Amino acid sequence: LAKTTQPISMDSYEGQEVNITCSHNNIATNDYITWYQQFPSQGPRFIIQGYKTKVTNEVASLFIPADRKSSTLSLPRVSLSDTAVYYCLVGDRGRGSTLGRLYFGRGTQLTVWP
Amino acid sequence: GAVVSQHPSRVICKSGTSVKIECRSLDFQATTMFWYRQFPKKSLMLMATSNEGSKATYEQGVEKDKFLINHASLTLSTLTVTSAHPEDSSFYICSARARTGRNTEAFFGQGTRLTVV
Repeated sequence: LAKTTQPISMDSYEGQEVNITCSHNNIATNDYITWYQQFPSQGPRFIIQGYKTKVTNEVASLFIPADRKSSTLSLPRVSLSDTAVYYCLVGDRGRGSTLGRLYFGRGTQLTVWP
Repeated sequence: GAVVSQHPSRVICKSGTSVKIECRSLDFQATTMFWYRQFPKKSLMLMATSNEGSKATYEQGVEKDKFLINHASLTLSTLTVTSAHPEDSSFYICSARARTGRNTEAFFGQGTRLTVV
């Protein structure tokens, strides 16, 4: 089971780009990397998922180097509402109809200041 | 994205009683659902994997007789906390995974705040 390591906390100001790096040295061939956002007393919300290279969607970009032992979530121009805990997860899709489990690490508390 | 609905959002119960939490996938069929619990300022801890039509698979250290899981249909899984005690007070979150195109995503319910008094 691939373990993930992230910084416990990060601070930023509104309008800045934030990059959160996650290390997953033991990532397996079938594993995908997924990032989630969680606000207090809410369930996590999917941000982005990738396998290799770069993935971009309307809210974030995910950079994955060739060795896949780390990944970086990039949030462009953060706002106060981006203050949340961000989790990096590594897991496989499972086999057939049994989709793989997701284990959460500690996550990164991002605080955006005005 | 897909929607997972959890009910109730918060519940207070007396020690010794049982509480049932429902998790529904509203617009997709979920053959697999997951149950997590989360303590304040801590990460989510996976409790069990619920497979439709079969017994749940519990993580090490989770009492299956304490936390009963039923996944009777492709859109509904339930977690029953039996004989609840104050130490069972926590935030319980369900999740369902769905295939979206070539990827899979896990969609989470809004969580249930259980307080046992």
